Amino acid sequence: EVQLVESGGGLVKPGGSLRLSCAASGFTFSAYNINWVRRAPGKGLECLSSITTSSTNMWHADSVKGRFTISRDDAKNSVYLQMNSLRVEDTAVYYCARSTATGTGDYWGQGTLVTVST
Amino acid sequence: DIQMTQSPSTLSASVGDRVTITCRASRSISTSLAWYQQKPGKAPKLLIYQASSLESGVPSRFSGSGSGTEFTLTISSLQPDDFATYYCQQYQNYWTFGQGTKVEIK
Repeated sequence: EVQLVESGGGLVKPGGSLRLSCAASGFTFSAYNINWVRRAPGKGLECLSSITTSSTNMWHADSVKGRFTISRDDAKNSVYLQMNSLRVEDTAVYYCARSTATGTGDYWGQGTLVTVST
Repeated sequence: DIQMTQSPSTLSASVGDRVTITCRASRSISTSLAWYQQKPGKAPKLLIYQASSLESGVPSRFSGSGSGTEFTLTISSLQPDDFATYYCQQYQNYWTFGQGTKVEIK
């Protein structure tokens, strides 16, 4: 069974840092691109970062460029999102999602909540 | 960046109604368009990919159409389990989502 499990969320003060993890199982992890998507309270879905197989390419949305960094460790079947200089507006549920061969997302994790507040 | 504009933002309907949601891309994306359903506290669920292909296990009352810049999601006969928020997504150039359509009980 394909599973993606996020962890690492929590409460952090503005300007702080968090590292989210996404642990995958049930498929050949190294063969898939992985994405981080968030949903802020009262808002829609926003794709933040994507990483291709072998870490050949990484992409970050303008809203997080320079603050967030995506990485992967195929030996641990995991993807990470290092989040620095966090802002109140980064408060959201963060999901990781697997890209299919055609490019869309077929499997998603259950999400981890990040709250940025004083 | 490719922008996705979805309408309406909210839709009130009754069980059995035919429901249509529209999504427009800021430039042509061919058929690189997916539709998702999301319920409170849950992850998005893939319904349609390649604009009109039904994901395995998704009921046949869901259908998608369109190409280029104009796309639609149709639910032929709304069921109680279908009250949720729906998002379109382009995946031609990374991922961008529409702002969502909340389908509410009328």
